[in-house]
Amino acid sequence: SQQGEEDPQALSIQEGENATMNCSYKTSINNLQWYRQNSGRGLVHLILIRSNEREKHSGRLRVTLDTSKKSSSLLITASRAADTASYFCATDAGGSNYKLTFGKGTLLTVNP
Amino acid sequence: GAGVSQTPSNKVTEKGKYVELRCDPISGHTALYWYRQSLGQGPEFLIYFQGTGAADDSGLPNDRFFAVRPEGSVSTLKIQRTERGDSAVYLCASSLGLAAWYEQFFGPGTRLTVL
Repeated sequence: SQQGEEDPQALSIQEGENATMNCSYKTSINNLQWYRQNSGRGLVHLILIRSNEREKHSGRLRVTLDTSKKSSSLLITASRAADTASYFCATDAGGSNYKLTFGKGTLLTVNP
Repeated sequence: GAGVSQTPSNKVTEKGKYVELRCDPISGHTALYWYRQSLGQGPEFLIYFQGTGAADDSGLPNDRFFAVRPEGSVSTLKIQRTERGDSAVYLCASSLGLAAWYEQFFGPGTRLTVL
């Protein structure tokens, strides 16, 4: 079963707008990671947030983590057409610290 | 190398055939992982190596799947008697070490199509 579940499944916005994607998970985690996957390309690591962190920034990305609600959000500010991709959250499953469990992803389309 | 490389990028085979998929991790990365991604899904863990040994193969779907990493670098995922349901993108990743705070770097994947 999927540990991480992203929502929405698909999101379409205009260039310059902000995009927010959410991820929920079921069991306790050590870390949560967000990845991006462009059509036909591999997964690119965006950001890792540890279970004792609540917020993390990287460029135009902002990730929050609420372990009490078992949820995380990824905010992309001032989106660009090049941000069009699928975004996945990944957690270490069941306390094991290496095996990543991915959700089904959110397909983000940024229209120029 | 600059990143994780996988060969071939595409593989088309017939049901019942044997296939081998190769992964070259980033130099110096001791941990190597295989994942499988079906259409519309996120990647699913198959197996992971620390050095030469398969430390966790709990994600392999059945005994038709096997992976090796004989010298602790390149890894080969082997699938016997392929079935149509094996069609997917097979992703390889590597990391500096085992702990979760090490980022896993993914290769571009091998798209396997079983006819």
